[in-house]
Amino acid sequence: DQQVKQNSPSLSVQEGRISILNCDYTNSMFDYFLWYKKYPAEGPTFLISISSIKDKNEDGRFTVFLNKSAKHLSLHIVPSQPGDSAVYFCAASERAGKSTFGDGTTLTVKP
Amino acid sequence: DGGITQSPKYLFRKEGQNVTLSCEQNLNHDAMYWYRQDPGQGLRLIYYSQIVNDFQKGDIAEGYSVSREKKESFPLTVTSAQKNPTAFYLCASSSPTELGDEQYFGPGTRLTVT
Repeated sequence: DQQVKQNSPSLSVQEGRISILNCDYTNSMFDYFLWYKKYPAEGPTFLISISSIKDKNEDGRFTVFLNKSAKHLSLHIVPSQPGDSAVYFCAASERAGKSTFGDGTTLTVKP
Repeated sequence: DGGITQSPKYLFRKEGQNVTLSCEQNLNHDAMYWYRQDPGQGLRLIYYSQIVNDFQKGDIAEGYSVSREKKESFPLTVTSAQKNPTAFYLCASSSPTELGDEQYFGPGTRLTVT
């Protein structure tokens, strides 16, 4: 039973527009959520996180929104740039516990 | 420079041979992890260790073994019992806090078994 789901395997957007990546989870004990970015043949790198006491966290062009009642989080990238093209993984964890990862969404930003 | 290293980047083995993948970190992190990624799929947890001399099975531990004799090192052995060993293997480390667990990943090792 997959506890963290990213239902869109891929997303394509035009440069300068908004990219919205979605993630759903089933475990109500998750209280910390993270997004990682991964280029081919490299390890993922941490991008942004949010704890369950917040509903929004912003870092430059990246904003993560958390809707606890819907068990849903999203990553917004504005404006999207070609260098943002990568696989984005959503992850969730219980307090100080190990993370559970989604399957990833491949974002392509077209010039 | 603090970081996490994996070696080698590419590894080729014949079926039936055990192979050990190296993972070293100098971030002074307590926790270390091994993941496997197959094409088009996410990260699946093989083993993790939250402290030296202790480790736990992840979701797909069968056919793998680990050791954690030093804080800096967490080698993964892919044994001949692993039915589909060809994959991209990622090691990560973290220093879990009350708030959460941001993991730092190595560059990965691509293992091909023929």
